[in-house]
Amino acid sequence: EAGVVQSPRYKIIEKKQPVAFWCNPISGHNTLYWYLQNLGQGPELLIRYENEEAVDDSQLPKDRFSAERLKGVDSTLKIQPAELGDSAVYLCASSLDPSGGASDTQYFGPGTRLTVL
Amino acid sequence: GENVEQHPSTLSVQEGDSAVIKCTYSDSASNYFPWYKQELGKRPQLIIDIRSNVGEKKDQRIAVTLNKTAKHFSLHITETQPEDSAVYFCAATPGYSTLTFGKGTMLLVSP
Repeated sequence: EAGVVQSPRYKIIEKKQPVAFWCNPISGHNTLYWYLQNLGQGPELLIRYENEEAVDDSQLPKDRFSAERLKGVDSTLKIQPAELGDSAVYLCASSLDPSGGASDTQYFGPGTRLTVL
Repeated sequence: GENVEQHPSTLSVQEGDSAVIKCTYSDSASNYFPWYKQELGKRPQLIIDIRSNVGEKKDQRIAVTLNKTAKHFSLHITETQPEDSAVYFCAATPGYSTLTFGKGTMLLVSP
């Protein structure tokens, strides 16, 4: 079974430029998460989707960040414009469904390391 | 919301020793507690998890214990090996919801 796929793996941009990250979850996983991981810290949730609905975006800085999950499968996370403080690893994760039990298990992608100069 | 504290931030052991990492959580409604291992530059990988209806779970050299009353849970690694060296994260959630992660413990196992 293929794992969570993310691209690009690395991205270097200048501040004020836009950037987009893409995630393909594990097949059949209804729930998709975007996390931000700063160096030396644990992942912090940005947004959680159940199918195509964003059910928790309370930590997403909506002035510059946006996300979409069309058709409830792949997702993109966008930053526009990027700031120096956005340099971090952006992780995507997926889980089977929101009904609890074993489906709570989240599987992570390899992440996109963003460097803003 | 949930708050997860993790200690220690760094742990150095000799190969063959045991390692223990402890986490506390604040939300008494939390009922799912996974542990992830993250090697440098790699994705976090689930190594073991526990639900609030059990007090202990073991998988070969790894075990997790949960004390719901005290709201803390611990990861135990026995017979540590150099390949156990990584950053370990604990997390908690009341279910159907966001995982709140601890800040991580860097485990260094010296040969």
